Amino acid sequence: SAVISQKPSRDICQRGTSLTIQCQVDSQVTMMFWYRQQPGQSLTLIATANQGSEATYESGFVIDKFPISRPNLTFSTLTVSNMSPEDSSIYLCSVERTGIGYTFGSGTRLTVV
Amino acid sequence: GESVGLHLPTLSVQEGDNSIINCAYSNSASDYFIWYKQESGKGPQFIIDIRSNMDKRQGQRVTVLLNKTVKHLSLQIAATQPGDSAVYFCAENISPGNTPLVFGKGTRLSVIA
Repeated sequence: SAVISQKPSRDICQRGTSLTIQCQVDSQVTMMFWYRQQPGQSLTLIATANQGSEATYESGFVIDKFPISRPNLTFSTLTVSNMSPEDSSIYLCSVERTGIGYTFGSGTRLTVV
Repeated sequence: GESVGLHLPTLSVQEGDNSIINCAYSNSASDYFIWYKQESGKGPQFIIDIRSNMDKRQGQRVTVLLNKTVKHLSLQIAATQPGDSAVYFCAENISPGNTPLVFGKGTRLSVIA
C-alpha cells in the first residue's frame, strides 16, 4: 500500500493561532483528500486537493479557514486557521492509487485550548 | 491515546464468536464499498472491499455482504479475537479513482476475552 507520512502526529494549540499539517506520499498521486474526524465521530471530507489547481471544498468548509496547498504530486498541506476549541479533531489525509486503493495517514490529533 | 469511538454504537462479542457489523449507505449510485478498521491513535486500515456487481466477497476471517435493494452492507468477522477490538467504518464511492470516499457512522467492536 502507499506509504503516507503525516506530521505532526499531535499538537496542542492556543485558540486564535494556526496549525499547518503536512502529508507526504511515497509515490505520485493525482488527488489527495483531507478529512476531519471529530471526537467520537466518523470521517468527514474537508476538501480534495489536485496538484496545480485550487482545492475543492465540501459544504461547510471554506478556504479561508482550511487553506490547502498542493505544490507537487507527492505532498500537500492543510492549515487550520484561527483555531477555536471546536476545531479539536483528528485530521487525516488520504490518497487513492490504482491497484492499491484508498489509504490513510495516521492522522494529526489537534487539541485547541 | 484518544478514544475514537466514544459516542459510536457498540457491539460486544465473546472471543471466538462471530461478529456482524452493519452499515446503511445513502447513495444508490455508489459502485464501490470498503470496510475500514480504526484502532485508537491510528488512521483507518483497509479490511475488505466489494463492487456493486457482487453481493458477497470473502477474505481471511472476514466476509462482506452487499444488499443493493435496501442499500445495506455488512461485515462478518469469524472467530472474533481481542485484536479485532476497534472502530469499524463502512465507506462508499460512486467510482473508485479520483473521487473521495464517503464514510458511514461507524461501530465500535469490543471483544470480551
